[in-house]
Amino acid sequence: DARVTQTPRHKVTEMGQEVTMRCQPILGHNTVFWYRQTMMQGLELLAYFRNRAPLDDSGMPKDRFSAEMPDATLATLKIQPSEPRDSAVYFCASGLAVMNTEAFFGQGTRLTVV
Amino acid sequence: QKEVEQNSGPLSVPEGAIASLNCTYSDRGSQSFFWYRQYSGKSPELIMSIYSNGDKEDGRFTAQLNKASQYVSLLIRDSQPSDSATYLCAVEFMDSNYQLIWGAGTKLIIKP
Repeated sequence: DARVTQTPRHKVTEMGQEVTMRCQPILGHNTVFWYRQTMMQGLELLAYFRNRAPLDDSGMPKDRFSAEMPDATLATLKIQPSEPRDSAVYFCASGLAVMNTEAFFGQGTRLTVV
Repeated sequence: QKEVEQNSGPLSVPEGAIASLNCTYSDRGSQSFFWYRQYSGKSPELIMSIYSNGDKEDGRFTAQLNKASQYVSLLIRDSQPSDSATYLCAVEFMDSNYQLIWGAGTKLIIKP
């Protein structure tokens, strides 16, 4: 069945280490979003892509976060170096457009930085 | 600063009753409105989208949009224990950049 796939599901890492999260959007979807969810801040949009091009990453701390789409079937979110405050659940979502987007979420990557 | 406000709850509703969830937003330029359901430890899933004033019904769910008053609501008829979840309101608009602002969510508990 069509769904957004994220890996890994869980990641525990030490402060200062690089973390890479991967997302496979639903086949045919041309818009990909990266979100972060914490109890304190709720859901925050970090970045989004349309047709693999980054349209906005203003929600990301640029000094340590980077997001890319090497091809239409893979989106990546990297944190280098990671910090304890990055601990959160990171969701990838995909959709068919940027506006009026009915987004479908992956299961998320639960990141813990110790 | 664009904001989306939801009562955090929990909202407790007896099984079989109507659950009413509300969301207000600050920006009159907002264009699209979404309700997502999120079970504990799971990802958000889309319940309803609404783009124009009025009601939109889908099964037991009805979304209501009033742009003049800047609120959007979700009604759940014949509430079931499986409806117990956190309901997130999201408001979308485009000015210089695309923005999708999320409410903090309302926790709904359906009591058998």
